This record gives sequence, structure tokens and C-alpha cells, in this order.
Amino acid sequence: NAGVTQTPKFQVLKTGQSMTLQCAQDMNHNSMYWYRQDPGMGLRLIYYSASEGTTDKGEVPNGYNVSRLNKREFSLRLESAAPSQTSVYFCASKERTLGKPQHFGDGTRLSIL
Amino acid sequence: EDKVVQSPLSLVVHEGDTVTLNCSYEVTNFRSLLWYKQEKKAPTFLFMLTSSGIEKKSGRLSSILDKKELFSILNITATQTGDSAVYLCAVESGNQFYFGTGTSLTVIP
Repeated sequence: NAGVTQTPKFQVLKTGQSMTLQCAQDMNHNSMYWYRQDPGMGLRLIYYSASEGTTDKGEVPNGYNVSRLNKREFSLRLESAAPSQTSVYFCASKERTLGKPQHFGDGTRLSIL
Repeated sequence: EDKVVQSPLSLVVHEGDTVTLNCSYEVTNFRSLLWYKQEKKAPTFLFMLTSSGIEKKSGRLSSILDKKELFSILNITATQTGDSAVYLCAVESGNQFYFGTGTSLTVIP
């Protein structure tokens, strides 16, 4: 039971480099989410996709783009990384049915120098 | 602006103590409130509370939701060192989830 798989687990980038974080789920969930987690800030929503073919901005979308490639995969792209984007990034997925929780991947720890 | 506030920010207790974690919220389109436990990696789901289920219990953990006063509590009785973690409260509003900053619980042997 893989659940939600994120790659890579760790990455170090230089300011200005680009990077795509990958997320895949095998639970046939419709909705997928990208969060960042910073010390003292909790989890903040970057983008979400309520269903295949749709994406919407969350609380902190600036500096990021997303692609819902198919029902399984939802990627997050940093076009020009900045030190302020140093964070732990979590992907999550959820059934469309009401009353179901999100399931999270193990996270990607990203450092930008 | 939708927001979720958790208190206290951190807590240190001895094994066997009982703890109460608090979560208050203000959201525009409440659907559910969730509690997660986060150790080193991914948050793991504990409870979901909705209008139709305002009290949940699982072993030593229990949670209630007060929809009138807009808060929830998570109780842990007879704490163990394995309960040490960050406990996150999240509220589902529309298609989004809003998280509090978490309560860091440390249980000392």
C-alpha cells in the first residue's frame, strides 16, 4: 500500500534554479493538494486540484505552479527558487466524498541557498 | 479570513498525565474538523468531527466538537512517551483545509 508518494525526499537548490516536485497517489482519489510547512506556521496550502483537469490557488501560491497530469499525479514547480521557499513540502490526496480525511505523503525537504 | 488557532503551542508532561489540546476556528463554510498526529514525517489521521459526529473516542484519545462555540478539544489520558508528537488541528471549509500551527507535546518518562 504505497498511498501518497513524493519525490525527491531531499533537495538542495541554488537561488534562481528551477525544480519540480512530484506526487503520485494510488488510492483513486479525486482531490490532491500541495502544502508547505515552516516552523511556527503550520501547514499552508499552496495549490489544490479538486478533480482531474482543475487547479486552484491556496493561501500561498506566489512563486509556484502546478500541473495535474492525470488522476494519479500532481506536480509542483518552482520556476526560479528563492531562499524564502526553503521549507518542507507535503502532498496530500482525498476522496471527493464528504467525511473523508486527507492522506499525506512523507514530504520533500527543500533547501535553497 | 478563515483561521484556525491551537493552544498551547507546546506542552511538557510526565508519563501517566492527562492532557487537553485546544483548537478554535473561524471559517466561512465549515464541513469538518480533523485532528492529526505528526512525528517525524507525514501527519497521520486521528479523528474527524462533523455536524453528525461531534464526539469521537479511540483508546486513550478522545475529541469533542462544539459547533456553537467554534472549538474542539483533544484529550489524551494516561500519556505515554509514544504520544510525543506535534498535534495538528485542521478545518475543512469548502474545498480547502486550514491548519493550525500545532501543539508540540513532549511526554517525559
